[in-house]
Amino acid sequence: ETGVTQSPTHLIKTRGQQVTLRCSSQSGHNTVSWYQQALGQGPQFIFQYYREEENGRGNFPPRFSGLQFPNYSSELNVNALELDDSALYLCASNKEAGTSVYNEQFFGPGTRLTVL
Amino acid sequence: ELKVEQNPLFLSMQEGKNYTIYCNYSTTSDRLYWYRQDPGKSLESLFVLLSNGAVKQEGRLMASLDTKARLSTLHITAAVHDLSATYFCAVAGTYKYIFGTGTRLKVLA
Repeated sequence: ETGVTQSPTHLIKTRGQQVTLRCSSQSGHNTVSWYQQALGQGPQFIFQYYREEENGRGNFPPRFSGLQFPNYSSELNVNALELDDSALYLCASNKEAGTSVYNEQFFGPGTRLTVL
Repeated sequence: ELKVEQNPLFLSMQEGKNYTIYCNYSTTSDRLYWYRQDPGKSLESLFVLLSNGAVKQEGRLMASLDTKARLSTLHITAAVHDLSATYFCAVAGTYKYIFGTGTRLKVLA
């Protein structure tokens, strides 16, 4: 069984640029969530994708956007990068979102984004 | 809105000692998770607690959940240096996890 994978591992961008981060869900999972973890803080929920549509969103501005593809992989796009966007971005996948069935989220290794 | 608080934020303890990390949350949830994170790394799942009164143990770590008190504890028994890391609890909402602030644990030889 293949776990959650993310690419790239590290990324350095400058303020104002745009970035795309990628995530492949664990085998059998159809739901992907993205979290931002700033240095010294807990992960913060950005949004979740289920069946290629946004299923829920945290308190992040519209310049954070995403996509989910038919194979359940996902992209996180951030436009007009700001210094505060520097963080570890974690992707998590799980089976069937929004049901009462136990459906633990499994986290990927993360992408470290540095904005200069 | 669901809020999760952990304490202490920082914990420095001697090897061989016992200590407890507390995780309080503000609204009803019956799913709580504990993670370990080493510097620069992703989250490592430690425990999944799914019901009131759940208790799980792995090595020197034991986690429990009291949904009525909205409290989970992570107890460390006879700490060793290898347990030095940051520990997070996370409470499951409808579609997202809400993480605590984390407890940075340093075990001194």
